[in-house]
Amino acid sequence: TQLLEQSPQFLSIQEGENLTVYCNSSSVFSSLQWYRQEPGEGPVLLVTVVTGGEVKKLKRLTFQFGDARKDSSLHITAAQPGDTGLYLCAGHALDDYKLSFGAGTTVTVRA
Amino acid sequence: DVKVTQSSRYLVKRTGEKVFLECVQDMDHENMFWYRQDPGLGLRLIYFSYDVKMKEKGDIPEGYSVSREKKERFSLILESASTNQTSMYLCAAGTPNSPLHFGNGTRLTVT
Repeated sequence: TQLLEQSPQFLSIQEGENLTVYCNSSSVFSSLQWYRQEPGEGPVLLVTVVTGGEVKKLKRLTFQFGDARKDSSLHITAAQPGDTGLYLCAGHALDDYKLSFGAGTTVTVRA
Repeated sequence: DVKVTQSSRYLVKRTGEKVFLECVQDMDHENMFWYRQDPGLGLRLIYFSYDVKMKEKGDIPEGYSVSREKKERFSLILESASTNQTSMYLCAAGTPNSPLHFGNGTRLTVT
């Protein structure tokens, strides 16, 4: 059982559509991070959220941290083929110095 | 920008061989990590190190060992490779409670 559950596992959409990826846990996290990984490369950090209820925007990407700091979401507006990749959430649970990862969501944006 | 370099992109080894995966980082970060990445399972922590000659077991250390003789270098050792160790191996570096910087991964196939 993973500490962080991501959904959906796979997402395939047409260019211009919106999408949301979810990251949920029963544990409280001191912070949550979102990474994107492209084929043949390592994950690259997109954003870190640390405050419950926090919303961060990165161009067409909107990240939200739940009020109770147990969940997060990533919303992409008007997706483009360049958004294709594996999206991973990761976090430090309270009193745990290790970073735990979700299983990832594979996003495919078709031109 | 932190650069984490893994010495091999692809490796093919035979069952029972001793395998060394090398990782070097150039930003003097205290912490270094080895993960393996498998479809549907996300990233699972094998070992990490928070200082030279220091190591801690992660979630799946069985069948692996590590070495950190210098701050910039963290090696993962498979004492006797088995087919269930076929995977993508990712090295990462970072400071405490900070996001991680990943290498591009080593895809290991054990036949």
